[in-house]
Amino acid sequence: EDKVVQSPLSLVVHEGDTVTLNCSYEVTNFRSLLWYKQEKKAPTFLFMLTSSGIEKKSGRLSSILDKKELFSILNITATQTGDSAVYLCAVINQAGTALIFGKGTTLSVSS
Amino acid sequence: KAGVTQTPRYLIKTRGQQVTLSCSPISGHRSVSWYQQTPGQGLQFLFEYFSETQRNKGNFPGRFSGRQFSNSRSEMNVSTLELGDSALYLCASSLDSGLFSGANVLTFGAGSRLTVL
Repeated sequence: EDKVVQSPLSLVVHEGDTVTLNCSYEVTNFRSLLWYKQEKKAPTFLFMLTSSGIEKKSGRLSSILDKKELFSILNITATQTGDSAVYLCAVINQAGTALIFGKGTTLSVSS
Repeated sequence: KAGVTQTPRYLIKTRGQQVTLSCSPISGHRSVSWYQQTPGQGLQFLFEYFSETQRNKGNFPGRFSGRQFSNSRSEMNVSTLELGDSALYLCASSLDSGLFSGANVLTFGAGSRLTVL
């Protein structure tokens, strides 16, 4: 059965800290991995990763994929209270017919 | 441009009733997909419609159904509601014909929060 596992499930950090969120997957015929940020209701797209070892970066956020070890990490540097959210990882299968989500990591950034 | 619009935002039903949720995609988007989000199971794919046809379906019972209209607006229906159907129902729209093609990203709506008593 295809599955995506995120860790930790939740964490609390102080403003300015750097955090690393993990996503491991077991998906038949992997195509892409996506990261979303969900603050209240609507998840918003962060990154899509298809190739191993190529870092995607947007401001203080970055992500990388390891297709050999079947995992991805999302890094957030110099965290701010506005980074508090649920971060979702999702994997697309090769056929493009399935989008499997992890249960998310709840990040709380305290001032 | 306007985002993905879902209505109603909140609703309360009792067991055994049915419910219909609506999703208006971003203008020009032809694909609409639906998801159920619960604390226990996380976000799970329900089904996807493109050009009024259901193209993909997740692992949900037949009580969950949907349709898409010629203007790309979509509705999902849940019949014979159970307590476990209480969830946030999200829809997402996208441009491409493939459900989750490599170059495709989804734009989510704010969801409809269903509570079943």
